[in-house]
Parts: sequence; structure tokens; C-alpha cells
Amino acid sequence: SQKIEQNSEALNIQEGKTATLTCNYTNYSPAYLQWYRQDPGRGPVFLLLIRENEKEKRKERLKVTFDTTLKQSLFHITASQPADSATYLCSGYSSASKIIFGSGTRLSIRP
Amino acid sequence: GAVVSQHPSWVICKSGTSVKIECRSLDFQATTMFWYRQFPKQSLMLMATSNEGSKATYEQGVEKDKFLINHASLTLSTLTVTSAHPEDSSFYICSARGGSGGAADTQYFGPGTRLTVL
Repeated sequence: SQKIEQNSEALNIQEGKTATLTCNYTNYSPAYLQWYRQDPGRGPVFLLLIRENEKEKRKERLKVTFDTTLKQSLFHITASQPADSATYLCSGYSSASKIIFGSGTRLSIRP
Repeated sequence: GAVVSQHPSWVICKSGTSVKIECRSLDFQATTMFWYRQFPKQSLMLMATSNEGSKATYEQGVEKDKFLINHASLTLSTLTVTSAHPEDSSFYICSARGGSGGAADTQYFGPGTRLTVL
């Protein structure tokens, strides 16, 4: 079946370091991937969209990569801050399939 | 950026009553709207997809008669939980897609509605 998988274990990072989150997809060919941030009790907030023909995209301290060979997207937060602590969701879209969301990775940045 | 609002942000109701949740795209026309529910510490579960002016497409296992969706305009979709029961208590989130240019592909989410059925 088509899947988007994210590391379900929480990621704990020291403030100032780079946090890297992984999104893998199987049996699926997304035309683009989207990354969201979700805080407890709130709706997801859109961060970045990367298309299959784009290898990398940046927005301030955020960077996303899309590797169609590895079937993987990496989401990086550089110079991480405690305020970056949240759950990060990856989703994929293909014209042949509905939008699929990963289960999210909880990121904690310790001071 | 594109803004999606939901109303109410939380609601408490008695078992057997119906609850309506509104989802609005404030600064863009949403050709497609989605309704999700989310249980604590779990991911989003897609309930249905709706295009303006047409019937919603429900995901497998979602009761059409219980979760009524109306997408009457390009900026408004409503979800009505009919004859709500305690097991319907959840966090309901809508999202909308259909901005201009590259944003047309992006799915923007509302802030969610917390439903508690007593």
C-alpha cells in the first residue's frame, strides 16, 4: 500500500544544532511533498512545498530536500531554538492518489 | 499567506444533538476542501474531500449520513456531525486548496475545532 513514513520516535536536539527530520515514501510517486508544523491543539501550519523536479528548497532557517531515487525527503532546521519544538508532518500529493500524511515526528529543542 | 478559519474553535454538546462546524478560506478561493479528524497524539485522518458545488467524496469507513459536508461556495464548507455521540469527540480540522500560482497546490489548514460530546 502507499505510505508516507516518518520517524515516530521523538527527536531531541540541543539548541543551536541542526535538526534533521526524515520522510520516506513507498509504493507512491508524489508530484510534490509538503511539510507542516503542528503545535498541540492547533491545526497544521504550512512551511514548505517541494516538487519532484526540485532537489532542494530553502526558507530562512528551513531547508527541504527531495530525492526521488531514495524516495525520501529531509527537513532541516538550522540554528534550532526551543521555539522550534513541535510536531512536524510530511505529506505527499500525486495526481493519481489522494494526499497522504505521515504520522509526524515530535521535535524537542532543549536549551 | 493563505488563511483558513474555522468556527467554532471548541464546542461541547449533549449526546444526540447535531453540531455544525464552518470552514472558510479568507483570502483565496478554495476549489477543494478537506475535512480531517485527529485523535490525541495521532496523525490526521482524512474524512472527506469536497469540491465546490459537488458532493463530497468520503473515505472508507466514514459514514456519509453522520458527517454531512456541504461545500456551497468557493470560500465556505461546513461539516455537520449529526446525532453526535461521545465517540465522535475529537479534534476536527479542515483544509483548503486553490490559491493562485504555485500556491494552488498548497493545502492550508484551519486552526481546528475541538468537539466534546457528553
